[in-house]
Amino acid sequence: EAGVAQSPRYKIIEKRQSVAFWCNPISGHATLYWYQQILGQGPKLLIQFQNNGVVDDSQLPKDRFSAERLKGVDSTLKIQPAKLEDSAVYLCASSLRTSSYEQYFGPGTRLTVT
Amino acid sequence: AQSVTQLDSQVPVFEEAPVELRCNYSSSVSVYLFWYVQYPNQGLQLLLKYLSGSTLVKGINGFEAEFNKSQTSFHLRKPSVHISDTAEYFCAYARAAGNKLTFGGGTRVLVKP
Repeated sequence: EAGVAQSPRYKIIEKRQSVAFWCNPISGHATLYWYQQILGQGPKLLIQFQNNGVVDDSQLPKDRFSAERLKGVDSTLKIQPAKLEDSAVYLCASSLRTSSYEQYFGPGTRLTVT
Repeated sequence: AQSVTQLDSQVPVFEEAPVELRCNYSSSVSVYLFWYVQYPNQGLQLLLKYLSGSTLVKGINGFEAEFNKSQTSFHLRKPSVHISDTAEYFCAYARAAGNKLTFGGGTRVLVKP
């Protein structure tokens, strides 16, 4: 079974530029999560999707971050414009359904904002 | 506010020695508890989880954890570590199935030969 795929693995941009990350969850997984992991901290949820609907985006900085999961499969997370404090690893995770306890994580995208 | 505290940011340990990683949580409701491991430049992998039942939970790679409701703790242990156990370990909880995970700050384990 293929795992959660993310691209790119690494990205370096200057502040005020925009960037987008892509995630393809495990086939058949209805729930998709985006987490932000700042160096030295645990991951923090940014947004959770159930199919193509948003379940929780309470910690998403909506003035600069956006995410979509249009067909209920893969997802894109965008930052525009980026700030220095957005430097982090962005992790995508998926689970089979809302009643599932286990989340499967992708390798992450490491973003450096200079 | 609900939170997870990992009391040690770094734990150096010699190969074949035991290790214990401490985790305390704060929640006004019942929670489900997890330990994840993160190897360098990789995503998180589930080590074990406590949902209900026996308070001693066994996971992969020889790890186990004990849920202690009165002390609101979920400490992770391994009786004999290997060099390959060098990684960062995260304790987390979820308030219900399908809910977001709330993570602690992580404990970096460095296994020395």
